[in-house]
Amino acid sequence: AQSVSQHNHHVILSEAASLELGCNYSYGGTVNLFWYVQYPGQHLQLLLKYFSGDPLVKGIKGFEAEFIKSKFSFNLRKPSVQWSDTAEYFCAVMYTSGTYKYIFGTGTRLKVLA
Amino acid sequence: DAGITQSPRHKVTETGTPVTLRCHQTENHRYMYWYRQDPGHGLRLIHYSYGVKDTDKGEVSDGYSVSRSKTEDFLLTLESATSSQTSVYFCAISSGSGTDTQYFGPGTRLTVL
Repeated sequence: AQSVSQHNHHVILSEAASLELGCNYSYGGTVNLFWYVQYPGQHLQLLLKYFSGDPLVKGIKGFEAEFIKSKFSFNLRKPSVQWSDTAEYFCAVMYTSGTYKYIFGTGTRLKVLA
Repeated sequence: DAGITQSPRHKVTETGTPVTLRCHQTENHRYMYWYRQDPGHGLRLIHYSYGVKDTDKGEVSDGYSVSRSKTEDFLLTLESATSSQTSVYFCAISSGSGTDTQYFGPGTRLTVL
């Protein structure tokens, strides 16, 4: 079955630390890849997305992600986190060979200490 | 933000009662989705629609039904609510194109007592 794994369930960092959140997906052909952020009490907002081309994509608020096809990975990075980045982060995959269904990882809760 | 509204935003109901949640979009997107979000499970797809009167099941569809009579509205019905259906429900939309991207509504917090 198609699946998405986020290995870090909880991450605690101090402000200015670098962030990397892992995301791996199971093989299933061509994929579109997404990272969403959910601030406390809010809905999911799109951080960045990858469809094709340059495997390093930049999103909002200084986030970026790298698609490594050989590793089925799409890790999220930020060089220096801020307290306001405290949120839950979700990786999502859409397998383009099927219907427009998205599969989400279970999320990573990030807490940034001021 | 995409033009997606959900109603009600909060609801408390009792076990065994029917509940209907509404999702309304102003983007004229083809696809609409209902998810539930529970701690430790992320988002799980309940049902989705790929056009008016065209719907299909997701991974956790038992106990839920949906209807889409107009492009802009997608209804989720809990025929007989149970405590296990206490959750936050999110509606999402997408265009159904090659650069398809999902956008989410504000969510409905449902408590079944």
